Amino acid sequence: DTGVSQNPRHKITKRGQNVTFRCDPISEHNRLYWYRQTLGQGPEFLTYFQNEAQLEKSRLLSDRFSAERPKGSFSTLEIQRTEQGDSAMYLCASSPRDGGPYEQYFGPGTRLTVT
Amino acid sequence: AQSVTQLGSHVSVSEGALVLLRCNYSSSVPPYLFWYVQYPNQGLQLLLKYTSAATLVKGINGFEAEFKKSETSFHLTKPSAHMSDAAEYFCAVSAGTALIFGKGTTLSVSS
Repeated sequence: DTGVSQNPRHKITKRGQNVTFRCDPISEHNRLYWYRQTLGQGPEFLTYFQNEAQLEKSRLLSDRFSAERPKGSFSTLEIQRTEQGDSAMYLCASSPRDGGPYEQYFGPGTRLTVT
Repeated sequence: AQSVTQLGSHVSVSEGALVLLRCNYSSSVPPYLFWYVQYPNQGLQLLLKYTSAATLVKGINGFEAEFKKSETSFHLTKPSAHMSDAAEYFCAVSAGTALIFGKGTTLSVSS
């Protein structure tokens, strides 16, 4: 069990550019979550996958955001046409098939800075 | 709808003193509650969870929390603070698949 990993750990981009983040969950965890955390706030839920199916999306996930989890393993979160308001820590979490109630294990996060 | 309120954005204690971090929840169904800790530039680590079994829950690093339905509270305590406990602490409630987090409490420990 190597834990949830996220890459890159830090990303600085210019406004209007596209960025993509990757999350590798704990092996055999079939549930995967993305959260966003801004300074001084707790994490806010963005989206949830069970295996390869995206089952829930928050209203925070605007049309510029897209997430995928091909083959039900790693996941990617893409932000198109980044805005300064997208600057935040993006956290990924996973939970096991039979785990509960929905105990989630978090990765170290990707800190995005939009200049 | 579920929600969590953490009272006090910043708590300061001396090393060896009692740690008390407050969390109140709102839930229309029996809640599942969690405490997470976050060190600078790191992700969240689960400290403990309440799953409707024992109301007094013991977690890692000497932390524990007591579920009080009548007070809708799930406060986190530790009898004796250590310098390494300095971090940000988040209370969360399960809302189906998502976790709903409070705004966090920063714990400072002085020697």
